[in-house]
Amino acid sequence: DVKVTQSSRYLVKRTGEKVFLECVQDMDHENMFWYRQDPGLGLRLIYFSYDVKMKEKGDIPEGYSVSREKKERFSLILESASTNQTSMYLCASSYTNTEAFFGQGTRLTVV
Amino acid sequence: AQSVSQHNHHVILSEAASLELGCNYSYGGTVNLFWYVQYPGQHLQLLLKYFSGDPLVKGIKGFEAEFIKSKFSFNLRKPSVQWSDTAEYFCAVSLNDYKLSFGAGTTVTVRA
Repeated sequence: DVKVTQSSRYLVKRTGEKVFLECVQDMDHENMFWYRQDPGLGLRLIYFSYDVKMKEKGDIPEGYSVSREKKERFSLILESASTNQTSMYLCASSYTNTEAFFGQGTRLTVV
Repeated sequence: AQSVSQHNHHVILSEAASLELGCNYSYGGTVNLFWYVQYPGQHLQLLLKYFSGDPLVKGIKGFEAEFIKSKFSFNLRKPSVQWSDTAEYFCAVSLNDYKLSFGAGTTVTVRA
């Protein structure tokens, strides 16, 4: 079974902190994604990566950056957390032109 | 930019009723289409997918979806729902690239 593991299930951070969300997949997928999920808005793509050290902006990249130094790991970075970044963050991975597999999500609260 | 529209925000049904959830997308080229489900407290799971071939696709748990290219639609159906089908359902579309775009989701509540 494909496993996509996000490092934290719940996280509480203070406004202005630098926040790291980590994601690891065990299927040698070339593509990895970060989404945020908000009620009534569905999943919105923040960033995706199609290879090591490669990244592309999604629909809502402002306030975020990413890092992919190894194929299995994709990190989402909130440079200076703000309250409007309180959300559920979902990581996913896939081969090209196949379905994506999702992690369990990280519920981030910024206070 | 492509967009994905799901017609219903919240659907409430009784057990054994039929379910149909609408999904339309805006891109006119070749697309890959997906329906995902998120049960309460669980991660997103794939229900079914369409890449090519027969436009009527069967998925897990008795779900099926029909791709109608002329209508840019990929509607999800189940003839008879169960209480355990209570979940949030997401339609998703990708072009022949990596980016997967999702609709806003439809919450389905099945009353016993």
